[in-house]
Amino acid sequence: EIVLTQSPGTLSLSPGERAILSCRASQSVSGTYLAWYQQKPGQAPRLLIYGASSRAAGIPDRFSGSGSGTDFTLTISRLEPEDFAVYYCQQYGSSSFTFGPGTKVDIK
Amino acid sequence: EVQLVESGGGLVKPGGSLRLSCAASGFTFSNAWMSWVRQAPGKGLEWVGRIKSKADGGATDYAAPVKGRFTISRDDSKNTLYLQMNSLKTEDTAVYYCTVVSGFRFQHWGQGTLVTVAS
Repeated sequence: EIVLTQSPGTLSLSPGERAILSCRASQSVSGTYLAWYQQKPGQAPRLLIYGASSRAAGIPDRFSGSGSGTDFTLTISRLEPEDFAVYYCQQYGSSSFTFGPGTKVDIK
Repeated sequence: EVQLVESGGGLVKPGGSLRLSCAASGFTFSNAWMSWVRQAPGKGLEWVGRIKSKADGGATDYAAPVKGRFTISRDDSKNTLYLQMNSLKTEDTAVYYCTVVSGFRFQHWGQGTLVTVAS
C-alpha cells in the first residue's frame, strides 16, 4: 500500500500570504491518480485538484497543484479568509485509495 | 445538481450491525462508480470501499480494516448505495461519507452520517 505523508502538519499564515503544502508518497504515484481536497470544520471535504494539477469545477485559480513521481505540491497563491482549512492529498493505486494525514492551514 | 444524502447512522454496540444508505440524485447513478469514505472524530479521511457500475462489472474493493466485515451494494432502480457493516468495533466510530468516484478521485460528497460504536 502506498503511504502518503503531508508536511507541514500545521501552517500558520496571514491572509494574503502564499501557502505551499507538500504531499510525499512512499513509492511513485501516477500524477493522473493524485488529488487534493479541502475540508472546513463540520463540512464534507471538497475536491480542489485532480490529476495532480487540474482544478476542479468552480475552484479559484489561486489554487494550483504540481509535482510528479513521489513529490506533489498544492500552492495557494494568496490566502483568502475562506481558505483556512485542512487539506488532504489522495492517491489511487492497486485497487485502493489512500489519503495523507492532512495539513491544517490556520490564521497566524 | 448532484445530491448525496446518507442515512442510517446511530449508536450500536460492539459486535453489532448497521446498514447505511445513500440516496443519490442529479446524475446518472447507474453509470457511476461509488465509494464510502469515513472520518473518525478529530482524525483524517479513510477510504472504506468502492463499487463499480454494473456496466463495468459491479466489482467491489475494500480497505483492509473492513474487508470481510463490510459490504457495499447498490440498487440502481432506487438510485441508492448501501453499506452493510457487521461485527462492528469501537474503532469503526466515524462519520461515513458517500462519494461519487470519477477518474479515481472523489468528485462529489454527501454530508455524512455518524456511526458510534460503544457499549
